[in-house]
Amino acid sequence: DAMVIQNPRYQVTQFGKPVTLSCSQTLNHNVMYWYQQKSSQAPKLLFHYYDKDFNNEADTPDNFQSRRPNTSFCFLDIRSPGLGDAAMYLCATSTSTDTQYFGPGTRLTVL
Amino acid sequence: AQRVTQPEKLLSVFKGAPVELKCNYSYSGSPELFWYVQYSRQRLQLLLRHISRESIKGFTADLNKGETSFHLKKPFAQEEDSAMYYCALRPWGGTYKYIFGTGTRLKVLA
Repeated sequence: DAMVIQNPRYQVTQFGKPVTLSCSQTLNHNVMYWYQQKSSQAPKLLFHYYDKDFNNEADTPDNFQSRRPNTSFCFLDIRSPGLGDAAMYLCATSTSTDTQYFGPGTRLTVL
Repeated sequence: AQRVTQPEKLLSVFKGAPVELKCNYSYSGSPELFWYVQYSRQRLQLLLRHISRESIKGFTADLNKGETSFHLKKPFAQEEDSAMYYCALRPWGGTYKYIFGTGTRLKVLA
């Protein structure tokens, strides 16, 4: 009965090779988030969607893009991954009044 | 600037001892405050939120607007409480952003 699903759980890519991480939800929440979490650090918000409205954080690198084709799915595209992009990527969902529900995360390794 | 501060990276207590995880925030308006927990190999999940005023797994947290704090407390720590704890803030009204603290790792020793 997983409510926020992230695929794959582990992703290995090469330096500079584009990669896409995916998130899906069965909660029908209108807000979806992508966070980057590096070891021993707090989750850092990259961007979020309210329905189809995209909200980018000011310090999110242009290398990171996102798509939300429908309510259930959201994708994180890293156009040219660098070694510094190796991290856990967390997807979360919420409504305008409820708290966030997190996925299990995708651990990205960049070789 | 909006900020959440958790001053302790690691807190070790013995089983049965009281535990307090500190959280201070900086925000000019009225925020909503949360505690999230991440047990080993599990996803980040909500522990409690200040508007609920609940006790979850024996934990409580009171929002102190004067001191801008939202400390997490439990009178008797259990080994299963060992986890990473994050305090988070969400501004009221019109935004869905969450600001997380850097987290405190709680280790409850037998």
